[in-house]
Amino acid sequence: QSALTQPASVSGSPGQSITISCTGTSSDVGGYNFVSWYQHHPGKAPKLLIYDVTYRPSGISNRFSGSKSGNTASLTISGLQAEDEADYYCSSYTRTTTLEAFGGGTKLTVL
Amino acid sequence: EVQLLESGGDLVQPGGSLRLSCAASGFTFSSNVMCWVRQAPGKGLEWVSTISSSGARIYYSDSVKGRFTISRDNSKDTLYLQMNNLRAEDTAIYYCAKRGPSYSRDAWGQGTLVTVSS
Repeated sequence: QSALTQPASVSGSPGQSITISCTGTSSDVGGYNFVSWYQHHPGKAPKLLIYDVTYRPSGISNRFSGSKSGNTASLTISGLQAEDEADYYCSSYTRTTTLEAFGGGTKLTVL
Repeated sequence: EVQLLESGGDLVQPGGSLRLSCAASGFTFSSNVMCWVRQAPGKGLEWVSTISSSGARIYYSDSVKGRFTISRDNSKDTLYLQMNNLRAEDTAIYYCAKRGPSYSRDAWGQGTLVTVSS
């Protein structure tokens, strides 16, 4: 069981926007601005999309954006494209016996 | 270009041992925190272990603490994961990753497959 909770799947049509949530506690998501998001195409290396809740690394499209409210962080993908179909994971620093936690992952289907 | 190349994955019996390696290039390895992340078949990503740039600070997930040992050789730009007393539930693709800003991971390898089965 993952420390952070994500919906198992989301879907959207090309051009639409979707949002993936990541719910934790005050010991992780809610307590720190250390949430990051990753895109993972099966068989390939995961890719960092967002760090520190809202920041995009160089080279990442501005179609990807992050936010946080309370214990829930969110990743929004606007202008959906076919190549966005992938698994998406959130991650956060956690003030527990472990150091870092991942969400269970969300499969995005572009219809 | 940052490159991370894992090796050492294999089929091993329960209770056995294995050492994974991750060869780094394209960045100053000795200045960067490194970590291991795994993905079991049909499951999500799971953080395994993190090591500071000097190796002085080390962290493990509860699921591997006491069985796995992370280490690094900064003279060889290589990260290691010694895995002992392996269990079926350790079966996974193991990725090494470079720490990016804060607690993010901004570069990943392609992964190496570890299968624990009799």
